[in-house]
Amino acid sequence: GQQLNQSPQSMFIQEGEDVSMNCTSSSIFNTWLWYKQDPGEGPVLLIALYKAGELTSNGRLTAQFGITRKDSFLNISASIPSDVGIYFCAGQLKAAGNKLTFGGGTRVLVKP
Amino acid sequence: EAGVAQSPRYKIIEKRQSVAFWCNPISGHATLYWYQQILGQGPKLLIQFQNNGVVDDSQLPKDRFSAERLKGVDSTLKIQPAKLEDSAVYLCASRPIKDDSNYGYTFGSGTRLTVV
Repeated sequence: GQQLNQSPQSMFIQEGEDVSMNCTSSSIFNTWLWYKQDPGEGPVLLIALYKAGELTSNGRLTAQFGITRKDSFLNISASIPSDVGIYFCAGQLKAAGNKLTFGGGTRVLVKP
Repeated sequence: EAGVAQSPRYKIIEKRQSVAFWCNPISGHATLYWYQQILGQGPKLLIQFQNNGVVDDSQLPKDRFSAERLKGVDSTLKIQPAKLEDSAVYLCASRPIKDDSNYGYTFGSGTRLTVV
């Protein structure tokens, strides 16, 4: 089946730093989504990407949909403490009833 | 607008017991999903409903899992009998039929199941 590989699996941030994570897939997706999940909560959508090569920003977040439709990256600029959480990429395929296939997540933690 | 409501928040059961989870989607959302999220992994779709019909249950372990959405509104997911590997968070999500942007795709807070 389809698999999404996210990297890194975890990372430490210091306030003010820029953060980058990416996601690759063995399959093509129509839409690529980035979610954030806080402890005890469901995932919340941050950014949606619809076209190959598309670069989209939402505040301090920037994400790009790869040209091949098999990869994406998410950047967070000038990180703040509330950026801590788990970030998931998800691919969506119209032919599969628009169901979401999630990556394994990138856990963002604060440097001690 | 009220979000997706799920109950209970937590459940601990012994293996071989049965358990049921309940989900009330956002009013007017025709599509409802159940996801299983094992600790340290991303959510995995179990079943998708549109109104009261099943759209996709290809990843639902049907020998022990069942789900229904009889009136096309709220839904229940049942596990009988439970196994240790069923320990996970069960997330419900709902979405309006017309949601090209995906920003209407809303998750509940989940039910955390521990099987001992």
